[in-house]
Amino acid sequence: RKEVEQDPGPFNVPEGATVAFNCTYSNSASQSFFWYRQDCRKEPKLLMSVYSSGNEDGRFTAQLNRASQYISLLIRDSKLSDSATYLCVVKGGSYIPTFGRGTSLIVHP
Amino acid sequence: EAGVTQFPSHSVIEKGQTVTLRCDPISGHDNLYWYRRVMGKEIKFLLHFVKESKQDESGMPNNRFLAERTGGTYSTLKVQPAELEDSGVYFCASSRAGDGGELFFGEGSRLTVL
Repeated sequence: RKEVEQDPGPFNVPEGATVAFNCTYSNSASQSFFWYRQDCRKEPKLLMSVYSSGNEDGRFTAQLNRASQYISLLIRDSKLSDSATYLCVVKGGSYIPTFGRGTSLIVHP
Repeated sequence: EAGVTQFPSHSVIEKGQTVTLRCDPISGHDNLYWYRRVMGKEIKFLLHFVKESKQDESGMPNNRFLAERTGGTYSTLKVQPAELEDSGVYFCASSRAGDGGELFFGEGSRLTVL
């Protein structure tokens, strides 16, 4: 089983839609969780950290479920500019950030 | 503040040749990571430096890969001799001291081995 698993998609949604991604992780000792965004042929950039209590940043909401070992990212009112690959990143006991394969989002007019 | 810079942005070499990739982290960042993305697969960890020390090199594929970070500043990743399966994008990332910091990535060095 992979350490961090994501549905690769693509998720193809119209502008204004709400879309949610999930990510599961295998190491129950994992401590830190993040969502990164990667545009085509660009480097990954931090979108948001994921806190135990859940957190929101504008149209983006991230949640953590330790019992089920998954994190989620919800995007409301999707914009064309949200089209990208969303990477789930988990830091386990070794404190090395481990990446999921990424979920591709395509927002169309 | 300058970001993480990587050189070259793209390298095309023949099987058996040597390539050296360079990464300049953000000034003052003690942590430096090398990752690799092979087409269609996830970004995989290669190794981690804290200052000049190799903290974790468990992701290095084999002994054809050698990473250094002399003086705790820039780092190099040498592949010698290169094989076809080494093709991919090599990302360098840096973060501040400690283990909770955001990773800042360079734009990557795309390696094509023919």
